[in-house]
Amino acid sequence: NAGVTQTPKFRILKIGQSMTLQCTQDMNHNYMYWYRQDPGMGLKLIYYSVGAGITDKGEVPNGYNVSRSTTEDFPLRLELAAPSQTSVYFCASSYSNKLAGTYEQYFGPGTRLTVT
Amino acid sequence: AQSVTQLDSQVPVFEEAPVELRCNYSSSVSVYLFWYVQYPNQGLQLLLKYLSGSTLVKGINGFEAEFNKSQTSFHLRKPSVHISDTAEYFCAVSGDYGGSQGNLIFGKGTKLSVKP
Repeated sequence: NAGVTQTPKFRILKIGQSMTLQCTQDMNHNYMYWYRQDPGMGLKLIYYSVGAGITDKGEVPNGYNVSRSTTEDFPLRLELAAPSQTSVYFCASSYSNKLAGTYEQYFGPGTRLTVT
Repeated sequence: AQSVTQLDSQVPVFEEAPVELRCNYSSSVSVYLFWYVQYPNQGLQLLLKYLSGSTLVKGINGFEAEFNKSQTSFHLRKPSVHISDTAEYFCAVSGDYGGSQGNLIFGKGTKLSVKP
C-alpha cells in the first residue's frame, strides 16, 4: 500500500493564479480531509469528506474548493491564490463508523505552497 | 466545542533523560485522544491513541500516555529519549458527535529538541 499520496511536493504561485492539489489514498477509507499547517498554529481543517459525493466545510474553508467523485481521490482547488494561502497542506484519510470506533487518521507527506 | 491545549511550545532535553509533553483537552462528550509525531519536512505519524479501556496507552518508539478523565489530560511520556526523537508532537481529540465524528481537533504542537 502506498497509503496517502500528494502531488506536487512544492509549488510557487503568483497572486491570482489557480491550482489543484492532488490527494489519493489506496486504503479504501471513507473519510478524507484537507488541513493546512502554519508555523506555531497546529493543523487547521479546511474541508472534509465522509464519502464519495459528500463534502463539508471545516474550520478555514474560505478560498478553497473540493470535490470527491471517487473513494480514492480528494483534490483541493485554490481559485485565486493569495499570500495568506502560503502554507503546508496535508491530506489525510481514515475509516470511521460507529461499530469500528476507530478514528485514526493517516497523513500524506504534504505540499509546500508559496504564493508571491 | 472541543479544544486542545499543549502547555509547552518547546521542550529541550538531554539525551537519555525522561520527558513529559503535556496535553489538556476540553469536551462535553466522550473523547478519543491521539498523539502524532512530525519529523522535519514530513507528514504526521500516529504515535498512540486512546479509544477506551486501560488509561495507560503504549505506543511506538517507547512512548506512552495516560488518560486522566478527572484532569482532562493526556500527557505523553518517555523514560529515556534519543536524538532521533527530535520532532514536533501534536495532541489531538476527536468526539463522537454528529456527522463530523471522524474529525480531529489538534493542539498547536510541542517541539521536542534532544541534545547530546
